[in-house]
Amino acid sequence: GNSVTQMEGPVTLSEEAFLTINCTYTATGYPSLFWYVQYPGEGLQLLLKATKADDKGSNKGFEATYRKETTSFHLEKGSVQVSDSAVYFCALSDTGGFKTIFGAGTRLFVKA
Amino acid sequence: NAGVTQTPKFRVLKTGQSMTLLCAQDMNHEYMYWYRQDPGMGLRLIHYSVGEGTTAKGEVPDGYNVSRLKKQNFLLGLESAAPSQTSVYFCASSYSSLAGAYEQFFGPGTRLTVL
Repeated sequence: GNSVTQMEGPVTLSEEAFLTINCTYTATGYPSLFWYVQYPGEGLQLLLKATKADDKGSNKGFEATYRKETTSFHLEKGSVQVSDSAVYFCALSDTGGFKTIFGAGTRLFVKA
Repeated sequence: NAGVTQTPKFRVLKTGQSMTLLCAQDMNHEYMYWYRQDPGMGLRLIHYSVGEGTTAKGEVPDGYNVSRLKKQNFLLGLESAAPSQTSVYFCASSYSSLAGAYEQFFGPGTRLTVL
């Protein structure tokens, strides 16, 4: 079946450091890929998405590229801020699209 | 737009008690979902609905029931609560799209403790 695997956390970085959170997936067909972010005490919200191979999703300085050859969708940001501290979830929706499979989440701490 | 709202925000139950969690969305979305979030396990789908009057089981449906009598509301019921149902519950909704990218919109969550 479809699945999403993302790097375990927590990830602790200093402000202005470079961020990478790895995400790989297993899926049949052509899934859409997402990164969601969850700030403390809140629900998840969409950070970025990509719907086909080689698409790059971007938002708030975060980027991820849909790599079909490596079945990956790694999240990157060039310079993190304290306000980026949150839990990040990689996810995919299968062909037909109304169900989403989430990774376990990666907690990010950014120190001032 | 309020988006997706959930009531209550917090609840403490004793083993064997029942309760209903209410989810409401004002975006006219067809699809609605209930998830539970437990430490280290991400989000697990409990039940979902693809339209008014329809429901289906997700990954972890045992011990829960749902109803979707109105398009904007999705209720999650616990008939006889157990300590294993202590969790944070999230409701979400999404729209249908020809592009096939089904973004989900989440509520703020309900923190449930079963003693």
